[in-house]
Amino acid sequence: EAGVAQSPRYKIIEKRQSVAFWCNPISGHATLYWYQQILGQGPKLLIQFQNNGVVDDSQLPKDRFSAERLKGVDSTLKIQPAKLEDSAVYLCASSLEPGDANEQFFGPGTRLTVL
Amino acid sequence: AQSVTQLDSHVSVSEGTPVLLRCNYSSSYSPSLFWYVQHPNKGLQLLLKYTSAATLVKGINGFEAEFKKSETSFHLTKPSAHMSDAAEYFCVVSLTGGGNKLTFGTGTQLKVEL
Repeated sequence: EAGVAQSPRYKIIEKRQSVAFWCNPISGHATLYWYQQILGQGPKLLIQFQNNGVVDDSQLPKDRFSAERLKGVDSTLKIQPAKLEDSAVYLCASSLEPGDANEQFFGPGTRLTVL
Repeated sequence: AQSVTQLDSHVSVSEGTPVLLRCNYSSSYSPSLFWYVQHPNKGLQLLLKYTSAATLVKGINGFEAEFKKSETSFHLTKPSAHMSDAAEYFCVVSLTGGGNKLTFGTGTQLKVEL
């Protein structure tokens, strides 16, 4: 079974530039999550989708971050404009269903460096 | 609100000796608890999970954890460390009825020496 795919794996940009990350979840997984993992910290949930609808985006800095999952399959996370503090690893995860304790499968992440 | 505290940021053991990674949780309601492992340049992988069934939970690669409500703890153990266990380990809590929203601890880096 193919895992969660993410691209690019690494990205370096200047502050105030824009960047987009792509995620393709495991086939058939209805729920998709984006996490931000700052160096030395645990991942923090940014947004959760159920099919193509947003379930939870309470931790997403909406003034600069946006995410979409238009067809209920793959998803894009965008930052515009980027700040220095956005340097982090962005993780995508998926689960079969949104119910409690359903295992979330994580992709390898995209490491963003903002200079 | 829910949270987890991982008591050690770094743990170092010798190969073949026991591993103990400590985690305390805080949750107003019945939590689900997990341990995830993150190897360098690889995705997070679920080791084990507790969901109000048996308090002693067995996971992959010989790891296990015991849920102790009286101590609000969920420590991860393994009888004998292997070099391949070197990684970062995260204790995670999810609120029952919370829609599978995970709250991660800050992680414990496990080093295994020969």
